[in-house]
Amino acid sequence: EAQVTQNPRYLITVTGKKLTVTCSQNMNHEYMSWYRQDPGLGLRQIYYSMNVEVTDKGDVPEGYKVSRKEKRNFPLILESPSPNQTSLYFCASSLQGSNTEAFFGQGTRLTVV
Amino acid sequence: GQQVMQIPQYQHVQEGEDFTTYCNSSTTLSNIQWYKQRPGGHPVFLIQLVKSGEVKKQKRLTFQFGEAKKNSSLHITATQTTDVGTYFCAGTGGSYIPTFGRGTSLIVHP
Repeated sequence: EAQVTQNPRYLITVTGKKLTVTCSQNMNHEYMSWYRQDPGLGLRQIYYSMNVEVTDKGDVPEGYKVSRKEKRNFPLILESPSPNQTSLYFCASSLQGSNTEAFFGQGTRLTVV
Repeated sequence: GQQVMQIPQYQHVQEGEDFTTYCNSSTTLSNIQWYKQRPGGHPVFLIQLVKSGEVKKQKRLTFQFGEAKKNSSLHITATQTTDVGTYFCAGTGGSYIPTFGRGTSLIVHP
């Protein structure tokens, strides 16, 4: 089954404790991206990757890191989480970027206390 | 930078009434996509529009792309409770980065 898998689905952590949210897709897609969703603000792009070892900032990259060492995986790293990073995070992948259908993961609800 | 405004933010309707959400971009778009997110779920792709003036239909849903490729709309005829959710547009201009509207949450009262 074609899918984008995120883990964990829920995470509560403390300020400053490094964490990684994993994202994996099994569709051989080139383009992957991370979004955060906050009430009233819709989906805002954090980082995107057009292929292996190619990443770039989206609209709200501050406080986040990503890596794309393999085509299928695109982890999101929060080196020192802060409460304003409490949000619902979605990973998405698409075949060729923003002109093809994006498949979203199930989401990760992160709470930073 | 590119901005995509989506209105209204919320829409309450009685089951059977029609519903429309609108997206307007500050710049000309190469394409626009529409997604639906059910409560507690993740966004799911509905459709992509590419051509100026394009109109596409999916059963009770009608999608339009403006002649100037700066606006789009989604119209649902005779809403049903299964239509409940948040509808997002996502426009792509010259930056290759899709910009999502803030979404319109549709609430259908039986």
